[in-house]
Amino acid sequence: DQQVKQNSPSLSVQEGRISILNCDYTNSMFDYFLWYKKYPAEGPTFLISISSIKDKNEDGRFTVFLNKSAKHLSLHIVPSQPGDSAVYFCAARGNAGNMLTFGGGTRLMVKP
Amino acid sequence: DADVTQTPRNRITKTGKRIMLECSQTKGHDRMYWYRQDPGLGLRLIYYSFDVKDINKGEISDGYSVSRQAQAKFSLSLESAIPNQTALYFCATSDAGRPYGTDTQYFGPGTRLTVL
Repeated sequence: DQQVKQNSPSLSVQEGRISILNCDYTNSMFDYFLWYKKYPAEGPTFLISISSIKDKNEDGRFTVFLNKSAKHLSLHIVPSQPGDSAVYFCAARGNAGNMLTFGGGTRLMVKP
Repeated sequence: DADVTQTPRNRITKTGKRIMLECSQTKGHDRMYWYRQDPGLGLRLIYYSFDVKDINKGEISDGYSVSRQAQAKFSLSLESAIPNQTALYFCATSDAGRPYGTDTQYFGPGTRLTVL
C-alpha cells in the first residue's frame, strides 16, 4: 500500500494562474517532506522542502503547505509559467533514518 | 559536464542476461543511491550507500546487487534480468552534511532498461 499518494496524475493550468499540486500520506511518523521536479529525459531535481514542525515554506514562486492533522501537503506555484511544465514528485521521510518514500507523481502542463 | 552521469542511457536485453548499470559523480558526495521508477509508482529505493564501506538494502532490493567501487562510483547489477525489471533507473547522490532524508539528492539522467 502506497504511503505517499498523489491522486491527480495530471493537471493543466493556464499561464499566469496558480498551480496547486496535492500529496497525501498515511504514515504519521513522516517528519520531513520534499518536492522534486522532473523534465523528460532528465533526472528529478530538488524544488522545495518542509519540516513537520512548520506549516508553510516559501521560495519565490513556490510555496509548500503542510497540514499534519489531515496528513496532506500541497505545492503552490504562482504565477505558473510554461517552463514549469514537468512531472512533480512529493517525497516523505520517516524519522529514525527511514528511507524516503515518493509519491507517484503529477504531470503539470502550463498552457501559454 | 553533468555532475551525476549514468551509463548506458538506454539498454534492451533479454530475460536471463546479466546487466550492469553504472553511475559516476563529480560532486564529491559520500552518499549514493539507486532508484527505479515505474509509471504511477514514483521512485522506489533499491540500494543505498553512505560511504565506500557501507551498503544497505532499500525497499525493493530483491533481484539486484550493487558495488561501490570508489566514492565516485556506484554500480547496479541485475544478475539474471526478468521482464518486470523493465523500468527507468536513477542514480542519485547527496552530501553527508545533513541528516538522511533532509539532504538534497542530485539525480543522474536515468537509464531506460527494457527486458524482453
